[in-house]
Amino acid sequence: DQQVKQNSPSLSVQEGRISILNCDYTNSMFDYFLWYKKYPAEGPTFLISISSIKDKNEDGRFTVFLNKSAKHLSLHIVPSQPGDSAVYFCAASAKWTQGGSEKLVFGKGMKLTVNP
Amino acid sequence: DAGVIQSPRHEVTEMGQEVTLRCKPISGHNSLFWYRQTMMRGLELLIYFNNNVPIDDSGMPEDRFSAKMPNASFSTLKIQPSEPRDSAVYFCASSRIQGMSEQYFGPGTRLTVT
Repeated sequence: DQQVKQNSPSLSVQEGRISILNCDYTNSMFDYFLWYKKYPAEGPTFLISISSIKDKNEDGRFTVFLNKSAKHLSLHIVPSQPGDSAVYFCAASAKWTQGGSEKLVFGKGMKLTVNP
Repeated sequence: DAGVIQSPRHEVTEMGQEVTLRCKPISGHNSLFWYRQTMMRGLELLIYFNNNVPIDDSGMPEDRFSAKMPNASFSTLKIQPSEPRDSAVYFCASSRIQGMSEQYFGPGTRLTVT
């Protein structure tokens, strides 16, 4: 049973345009959400996060939106650059929920290709 | 500051052999996580430690897998005996318990069991 879902396996966009990566979750106990980026032959690297008390968090070209009622979050990259080409993972935890945990549950990832 | 260090980077072994993967977390981090990545299941948590104590090992697939953290700067994941279906990339990650949950990942060990 997948608690964090990234339903699109891949996305291709043109340099300079917006990339929108989507993620859905099923566990209402999740209260903290993260995006990781992974290049081939490297480990995932932390990109941006958001707690459930917010609906938006922005860091430079990267913005994460959280819609708790829909159990949906998205990552916007504007403008997209060829160096953004990587696999992006959505992750969630119930860090502050009663009985919370450090445990992260990851989606299966989405491959983003930004074409020059 | 050095990141999470894993060794070996690649391991090829025959079915039935014992495999030991090693991890050195970032200094000052007191949580350590072992993950496995496969095409079928994606990135899944196997076990994690807080202050060297195993907290949740519910992701460990079976008794052939074991993990230890004898001190704050070293952890091992052992598979004995190994099977072809254990072939995957194994990642170690570390974080601080307090504060946000950003985990810092090592480069991974690609394990191939023939």
